[in-house]
Amino acid sequence: GAGVSQSPRYKVAKRGQDVALRCDPISGHVSLFWYQQALGQGPEFLTYFQNEAQLDKSGLPSDRFFAERPEGSVSTLKIQRTQQEDSAVYLCASSSGLARFNTQYFGPGTRLTVL
Amino acid sequence: KNQVEQSPQSLIILEGKNCTLQCNYTVSPFSNLRWYKQDTGRGPVSLTIMTFSENTKSNGRYTATLDADTKQSSLHITASQLSDSASYICVVNSGAGSYQLTFGKGTKLSVIP
Repeated sequence: GAGVSQSPRYKVAKRGQDVALRCDPISGHVSLFWYQQALGQGPEFLTYFQNEAQLDKSGLPSDRFFAERPEGSVSTLKIQRTQQEDSAVYLCASSSGLARFNTQYFGPGTRLTVL
Repeated sequence: KNQVEQSPQSLIILEGKNCTLQCNYTVSPFSNLRWYKQDTGRGPVSLTIMTFSENTKSNGRYTATLDADTKQSSLHITASQLSDSASYICVVNSGAGSYQLTFGKGTKLSVIP
């Protein structure tokens, strides 16, 4: 596709359930980012991949959060034992080349609601 | 802690009018500053990227300014249209090899007919 796609667009989980959120970046984009956006707030950095290598995971809020990009393309963000505070929109972004100067293209996000 | 503060939080203007949104940051070191437009229910879309050596950049009716000495930026929207209604987010990259972006909370702009 022409842009970054994410699935599902909406996810409702019961507290304690595990969820997996998928991101399909723009084809050929080296860099991939995950962000968490709470209601009325700006996105907050979670993790960064350069190809298949996870170069920074300092933003992941707890060890319940895990991200992977095994073949350097599609990425999955997994949240184990979901809690109510995990409710947010999870945004994925990709960029070509070095992330410092390149434009990041965002997907539409997955809205996660934990009951 | 790196911070990006935006003002106003929200703004309502009449179609056709101009407006200016403000951004102050304390991110250090500084690499570049970006303005994004985020429509409701959508991901942010990049409007401009400026490095410390640039003090103005335009993208159609959007003009961003940067004062790296005072750590301030503004986004000016000319001849607003109904489709400009969105949140505008100021984002700073701290450089020094970092790829982390610090986002402001955004200014919610409503353009009314």
